[in-house]
Amino acid sequence: GAGVSQSPSNKVTEKGKDVELRCDPISGHTALYWYRQSLGQGLEFLIYFQGNSAPDKSGLPSDRFSAERTGGSVSTLTIQRTQQEDSAVYLCASSGTAHPNQPQHFGDGTRLSIL
Amino acid sequence: QKEVEQDPGPLSVPEGAIVSLNCTYSNSAFQYFMWYRQYSRKGPELLMYTYSSGNKEDGRFTAQVDKSSKYISLFIRDSQPSDSATYLCAMLRTNAGKSTFGDGTTLTVKP
Repeated sequence: GAGVSQSPSNKVTEKGKDVELRCDPISGHTALYWYRQSLGQGLEFLIYFQGNSAPDKSGLPSDRFSAERTGGSVSTLTIQRTQQEDSAVYLCASSGTAHPNQPQHFGDGTRLSIL
Repeated sequence: QKEVEQDPGPLSVPEGAIVSLNCTYSNSAFQYFMWYRQYSRKGPELLMYTYSSGNKEDGRFTAQVDKSSKYISLFIRDSQPSDSATYLCAMLRTNAGKSTFGDGTTLTVKP
């Protein structure tokens, strides 16, 4: 069956531009998560959604970062006025519910490079 | 201090060896423990998922959790070149949706 799909797979943009990253979760999964992975590092939590609401936004690094989810499905992560330190792989995951006994399934990420 | 510490490696072993990967954690609120495998330029893939202390086996993989010591391990028996990847431990609290990850251990299994 279809897994978590992320687009674009790669994005190169100039410093100061806005970027929008998209995540299509597994069908029927109500929980959706965004993480960031810098080179050689583990995953840094950004935000998670239960349905269309975001109970935990604690990982968003600054007010330049925002995310939304519509229809309990697709989510977009927006980074405004990008900086070079935003360069990383942005990973999306989904799970059946947000309960801890529901493991998270990941997409292959969007590789973002800020020039 | 990070909540989850993982030996960074890299780790290189011959084919057929037994591999031991480890993580320690500091927060006793973590109750759920996972191991993910991540191939280059791919997203993490869930390998093992455990809740209680003790061992859980799945084929060549065994996950071990010791909550009293705040220590988890993943053992890989009869390692294969296809096991070459980065292995990430991850943990969940009971009242939070997000996972907290270790930084990963890169494993190379040489034919």
